[in-house]
Amino acid sequence: GAGVSQSPRYKVAKRGQDVALRCDPISGHVSLFWYQQALGQGPEFLTYFQNEAQLDKSGLPSDRFFAERPEGSVSTLKIQRTQQEDSAVYLCASSTDTGHRQPQHFGDGTRLSIL
Amino acid sequence: ILNVEQSPQSLHVQEGDSTNFTCSFPSSNFYALHWYRWETAKSPEALFVMTLNGDEKKKGRISATLNTKEGYSYLYIKGSQPEDSATYLCARTLSGNTPLVFGKGTRLSVIA
Repeated sequence: GAGVSQSPRYKVAKRGQDVALRCDPISGHVSLFWYQQALGQGPEFLTYFQNEAQLDKSGLPSDRFFAERPEGSVSTLKIQRTQQEDSAVYLCASSTDTGHRQPQHFGDGTRLSIL
Repeated sequence: ILNVEQSPQSLHVQEGDSTNFTCSFPSSNFYALHWYRWETAKSPEALFVMTLNGDEKKKGRISATLNTKEGYSYLYIKGSQPEDSATYLCARTLSGNTPLVFGKGTRLSVIA
């Protein structure tokens, strides 16, 4: 069956531009997570949705980061006025579970490079 | 902030060797521990979710143990193969409502 799909796979933007990253989770998965992975680090939590509700956005590094999941399916992570420190791999994951007793299913990630 | 530490950072083994690595975490308020395998240019793949002290899980040649009282989990690979080459990530959470916190991973290279 189809897994988690993320697009674009690679994104290069100039500093100051806005970018939008898309995540298409596994159909029927209630939970959706966004992570940021910097070089040499593990994935770091950004935000969590349960259906269309954003229940936790404590990991978003600044108000330039915004995420939405308006219909409880596809999610978009938007970064406004990008900075060089935003360069990272952005991972999306979905799960059937609303807790953490089931595994998360990850997409391939979007590698964002800010010039 | 809870720290998840993984060791070693990287590991090179010969094909056929068995190997193991460690995930350490603060033992207080344990809820769940996840292991993922992340091959280059692919997505992280779930290996195990462990919740109980003393848990042992196995998937093919890979197995994991959990000690929540002392705050560690071991991942074992028996008879390593080149296709086992990947970064192995562990992550733990304090509750069902708090985010997973990942370690930096152990990068395994299996040499044929």
